[in-house]
Amino acid sequence: QQQVKQSPQSLIVQKGGISIINCAYENTAFDYFPWYQQFPGKGPALLIAIRPDVSEKKEGRFTISFNKSAKQFSLHIMDSQPGDSATYFCAASRDNQGGKLIFGQGTELSVKP
Amino acid sequence: GAVVSQHPSRVICKSGTSVKIECRSLDFQATTMFWYRQFPKQSLMLMATSNEGSKATYEQGVEKDKFLINHASLTLSTLTVTSAHPEDSSFYICSARAGRETQYFGPGTRLLVL
Repeated sequence: QQQVKQSPQSLIVQKGGISIINCAYENTAFDYFPWYQQFPGKGPALLIAIRPDVSEKKEGRFTISFNKSAKQFSLHIMDSQPGDSATYFCAASRDNQGGKLIFGQGTELSVKP
Repeated sequence: GAVVSQHPSRVICKSGTSVKIECRSLDFQATTMFWYRQFPKQSLMLMATSNEGSKATYEQGVEKDKFLINHASLTLSTLTVTSAHPEDSSFYICSARAGRETQYFGPGTRLLVL
């Protein structure tokens, strides 16, 4: 029940295309859903996050769509660029558990020029 | 965003020695710090959670006597890998959180045990 399932494991997108990564969770007590971007040999960096009272959040080219009833959320990267090539992790947490993040398995995105 | 640093960025040590990794929040006070390890091509695995001035809470399966965590101040936490062995070679990443806010991650420390 603590798991967050992420798909796909890897994704290849052409420059200018839309990258879509999906995550699903079981625990309805989760109340914070961030997405992190990680480049090889670096720590993860927060991209965008959402709380369950909102169905969509957009920041620049990055959008989170959140479906509370389906217990799913997704990251959309518009106008994907080669510089977006990285590994993306979704995560979920509960504030009353000290903010402990449960990470998805990760998606390796490659954007081809 | 907030800045978290780690030192060293990479370390090579001999089997049986101990290694200390520092994690600092540079521009905010971190009420909670987390330590993760990450193997190649895998996700982050939480090892422990530490609150300033308290004993760390370890995740199931993580040996607290092997991975010593100290959170002595609101800006510094340390992870000591005691009697390191080759299987402890990994990428260790810390994160820091101020109250209910977001977790900010450090750049990671690459540990190689020979």
